[in-house]
Amino acid sequence: DIQMTQSPPSLSASVGDRVTITCRASQSTDNWLAWYQQKPGKVPKLLFYKASNLENGVPPRFSASGTGTDFTLTINGLQPDDFGTYYCQQYRRTPWTFGQGTKVEIK
Amino acid sequence: EVQLVQSGAEVKKPGESLQISCKGFGYDFSKYWIGWVRQMSGKGLEWMGIIYPDDSGARYGPSFQGHVTMSVDKSINTAYLQWSRLQTSDSAMYYCATGTRITAAWVAYNVWGQGTDVTVS
Repeated sequence: DIQMTQSPPSLSASVGDRVTITCRASQSTDNWLAWYQQKPGKVPKLLFYKASNLENGVPPRFSASGTGTDFTLTINGLQPDDFGTYYCQQYRRTPWTFGQGTKVEIK
Repeated sequence: EVQLVQSGAEVKKPGESLQISCKGFGYDFSKYWIGWVRQMSGKGLEWMGIIYPDDSGARYGPSFQGHVTMSVDKSINTAYLQWSRLQTSDSAMYYCATGTRITAAWVAYNVWGQGTDVTVS
């Protein structure tokens, strides 16, 4: 299985801050990497697919990059609505695997 | 509107069987893989497996192989997740999801069901 490791596990930041979450795969995902946002009690929402492709309707303050095994999700100008837990997921090789999540809190 | 609608919450006893459902609307259900994702209370997302509605071909995550069964009835645009003998450790929220960007197994999930809460106690 491809193991996905996210860091940090949690963070607290202020509105307007730049926030970066990293995701490392135990082997190459060939960029078959997605990012999701999940708010408490809600359904996960796709933010990015194929490592850096922004899903329709996702605000452009979100960006994603990376290749191979190392990936980054960045929020430029954190907004109050950005709280929640963010997950990366590889879909290169079954079983698809998720990172353990990064919980983002607004100070 | 493309959507997946799941069956309602369930409360079961250990050893009982259960089938939950996921019905697709607004797209060609048979052509897009359906995935199932488990989320235990307060925990992260776990991929359980995927099934292709057109031919019922399925792939299971190793942690779930042999413990759950995925199936589909494409005539009514519905996928199912079934347990023959529930355990208390099966208590979780279960999501179905699909990716409608491409008709391939390796796809990010842009459409999610609302989740089915399963309690085994």
